[in-house]
Amino acid sequence: EVQLVESGGGLVQPGRSLKLSCVASGFTFSNYGMNWIRQAPGKGLEWVAYISSGSSYIYYAETVKGRFTISRDNAKNTLYLQMTSLRSEDTALYYCARHDNNYEYWGQGVMVTVSS
Amino acid sequence: DIQMTQSPASLSASLEEIVTITCQASQDIGNYLSWYQQKPGKSPQLLIHSATSLADGVPSRFSGSRSGTQYSLKINRLQVEDTGIYYCLQHYSAPLTFGSGTKLEIK
Repeated sequence: EVQLVESGGGLVQPGRSLKLSCVASGFTFSNYGMNWIRQAPGKGLEWVAYISSGSSYIYYAETVKGRFTISRDNAKNTLYLQMTSLRSEDTALYYCARHDNNYEYWGQGVMVTVSS
Repeated sequence: DIQMTQSPASLSASLEEIVTITCQASQDIGNYLSWYQQKPGKSPQLLIHSATSLADGVPSRFSGSRSGTQYSLKINRLQVEDTGIYYCLQHYSAPLTFGSGTKLEIK
């Protein structure tokens, strides 16, 4: 069974940093690209970042470019999102999702709240 | 960036009714289109992938279709459990883009 479990969220002050993790199981993690997708409270879904299976290709949404860094450790089956210079508008539930033809597999999400 | 224009924003329909939600892509995305249902406090659940293919375990009353760059999700014989917010997603190219969502309620 494919599982994606996010962690690392919490309450953080504006301007500070936070690092999210997503541990994958039930599939060969190193074979798949991965994404971070977020959802602000009461709002729609917004793609944040993508990393290819071997980390050769990385893309970011314009809203986070230069502040967020996506990375992965295939030996640990783990995806990361390093978030710096956080803003109130980054407050959201952050999901990791596997890149494939279907985009079926998402984690349960981890909440990040940016507030003083 | 590819824009996904989803309509309607909200929908109220009766049990057993047929409802249709559409997403218009701003350019060709082929069949790289998925539909999701999201319930409060839950992750989006895949309904349709590749524009027209029913995801595993999804009731057959859900179906997807494509006409050019317009994609539709149809729900036949609406059931109480179909309430929620529906989103389309294009994953043809980065940045991935979602429709703005359709909130479906039962009258």
